[in-house]
Amino acid sequence: DVKVTQSSRYLVKRTGEKVFLECVQDMDHENMFWYRQDPGLGLRLIYFSYDVKMKEKGDIPEGYSVSREKKERFSLILESASTNQTSMYLCASSLPQGIMEGTEAFFGQGTRLTVV
Amino acid sequence: AQSVAQPEDQVNVAEGNPLTVKCTYSVSGNPYLFWYVQYPNRGLQFLLKYITGDNLVKGSYGFEAEFNKSQTSFHLKKPSALVSDSALYFCAVNTDKLIFGTGTRLQVFP
Repeated sequence: DVKVTQSSRYLVKRTGEKVFLECVQDMDHENMFWYRQDPGLGLRLIYFSYDVKMKEKGDIPEGYSVSREKKERFSLILESASTNQTSMYLCASSLPQGIMEGTEAFFGQGTRLTVV
Repeated sequence: AQSVAQPEDQVNVAEGNPLTVKCTYSVSGNPYLFWYVQYPNRGLQFLLKYITGDNLVKGSYGFEAEFNKSQTSFHLKKPSALVSDSALYFCAVNTDKLIFGTGTRLQVFP
């Protein structure tokens, strides 16, 4: 089975802190994605990556950055956390060109981040 | 603009009755359509997808979905609902990136 693992289930951080959310997948997927999930808004794409050291902005990249130094690991970085970044963060991975050609994505369990 | 709409925030159904969760889409070209389910405090799980071919797609846990090109819809269905089907359901469309609807909460009552 494909496994996508997010390092933390719950995080509480203070406003202004630099926050790292880590995601690791074990299926050698080229594609990796970060979404945030908020009630009534569904899932919104923050950043995605199709290869190592490659990144693309999604729909809501402001306030975030990402790092993909190894194929299996995709990190989301909140440079200076703010209360409006309190949310559920979901990582996903898929096969090469998978999402663009109809292959399903596999999701991690999610990290619920609270910024106080 | 590419978009997905789930017009119902919540759907309530009695156990044993058929259920439908609605989804409409707006994309240019041929759509790749997906349904995912999310149980409490869990990530999203893939249920089924439409790529091409038969308009009725069968997926996990007895769910199926009907693709209707003229109505630009991809409704999720199940002939007989179970209490354990209660969860949050997301429709998604694949264009150059995976776009999700806002989700529909399904409540199945005993």
